[in-house]
Amino acid sequence: EVQLVESGGGLVQPGGSLRLSCVASGFTFSSSAMHWVRQAPGKGLEYVSGITSNGGTTSYATSVKGRFTISRDNSKNTLYLQMGSLRVEDMGVYYCARDGNWHISGWYVEWGQGTQVTVSS
Amino acid sequence: DIQMTQSPSSLSASVGDRVTFTCRASQGINNYLAWFQQKPGKAPKSLIYTATDLQNGVPSRFSGSGFGTDFTLSISSLQPEDFATYYCQQYKSAPLTFGGGTKVEI
Repeated sequence: EVQLVESGGGLVQPGGSLRLSCVASGFTFSSSAMHWVRQAPGKGLEYVSGITSNGGTTSYATSVKGRFTISRDNSKNTLYLQMGSLRVEDMGVYYCARDGNWHISGWYVEWGQGTQVTVSS
Repeated sequence: DIQMTQSPSSLSASVGDRVTFTCRASQGINNYLAWFQQKPGKAPKSLIYTATDLQNGVPSRFSGSGFGTDFTLSISSLQPEDFATYYCQQYKSAPLTFGGGTKVEI
């Protein structure tokens, strides 16, 4: 059974930093591109970032470029999202999602349960 | 960026109804279109990819169609567990973008 388990969310002040993690199991993690997608309270889904299976290529939404960094450790089956210079508009539930390909195709096959990020003073 | 527009934003239906809703892309995306289902407080669930193909385990009452800019998701006989919000997403080009969702209510 495929499992994606996010952690690392919490309350942070504007301008602060947070690192999210997503531990994967039930599939060959090193063969799948991975993504972060977020959802603001009461809003729709928004793409945040993606990374190829070997970590060699990354992509970011314009709204987070330069502030967020996606990375992965295939030896630990773990995806990360380092978030900096956080803004109120970054608040929401962050989901990791498994891509159906090794490259960043955007075809999401499975989703984690999400981790809540709250940005408030 | 490619804009994805879903309609209607919500609809009321009954168990057993056939429902159809649409997703329109601001430019052609071939068949790089996915549909997701999300229930309140839960993660999205992948239903359909490449506009027409069902993900493993998705009931056959769900079907997708379309190519280019206009797409539809249909549920042939609505079941109680189908009441949820449905999102479309294009993955033809970066940045990947989602529609605003269609909420299916009783």
